[in-house]
Amino acid sequence: EDQVTQSPEALRLQEGESSSLNCSYTVSGLRGLFWYRQDPGKGPEFLFTLYSAGEEKEKERLKATLTKKESFLHITAPKPEDSATYLCAVQAGGSNYQLIWGAGTKLIIKP
Amino acid sequence: GAVVSQHPSRVICKSGTSVKIECRSLDFQATTMFWYRQFPKQSLMLMATSNEGSKATYEQGVEKDKFLINHASLTLSTLTVTSAHPEDSSFYICSASVRGPGRTQYFGPGTRLTVL
Repeated sequence: EDQVTQSPEALRLQEGESSSLNCSYTVSGLRGLFWYRQDPGKGPEFLFTLYSAGEEKEKERLKATLTKKESFLHITAPKPEDSATYLCAVQAGGSNYQLIWGAGTKLIIKP
Repeated sequence: GAVVSQHPSRVICKSGTSVKIECRSLDFQATTMFWYRQFPKQSLMLMATSNEGSKATYEQGVEKDKFLINHASLTLSTLTVTSAHPEDSSFYICSASVRGPGRTQYFGPGTRLTVL
């Protein structure tokens, strides 16, 4: 069964303290892995799409990497405004284009 | 680029009335749109997938007669909650993408529906 698991469930960091969020997956035929950020009461904001193992993408303080089993979202020197829930989703092989979602990691950056 | 809007952002209605939520892709043509609902502190739950010009595909357990979806153009999809009841109160979010494998979904800001 296709599955996406995110860890940790919640992460509290001091401002400037770098860390990583994990997204492990088991899917048949990965077509894409997606990272989103969601603030309370808002829709998810797109961050990255990764397609194949070894691929990396960066945006400001965020860097996403992908292996055949998992993806990491590295956050370098985070600021309080980086506080949000980070969602990982994968699109598996098949005739539809639905996403399989992880439960998310709630990131809190303390000043 | 890739901006998706939703209207209204908040709606409060009486039980038994119908509510329509619009989802628009502002700067691209979306061949596929998705409708989700999200309960507090939970992840997104897919309700239905709609392709422009064809009937929506509903997920198991979602009543198609209650949640009417119309995807009349490449930039507009609507979700109508018919005869709304308090249990339909939720956060509804749409997303839009170009059809095809590995295509990114871009999300709207969401609509908070409260049924009294």
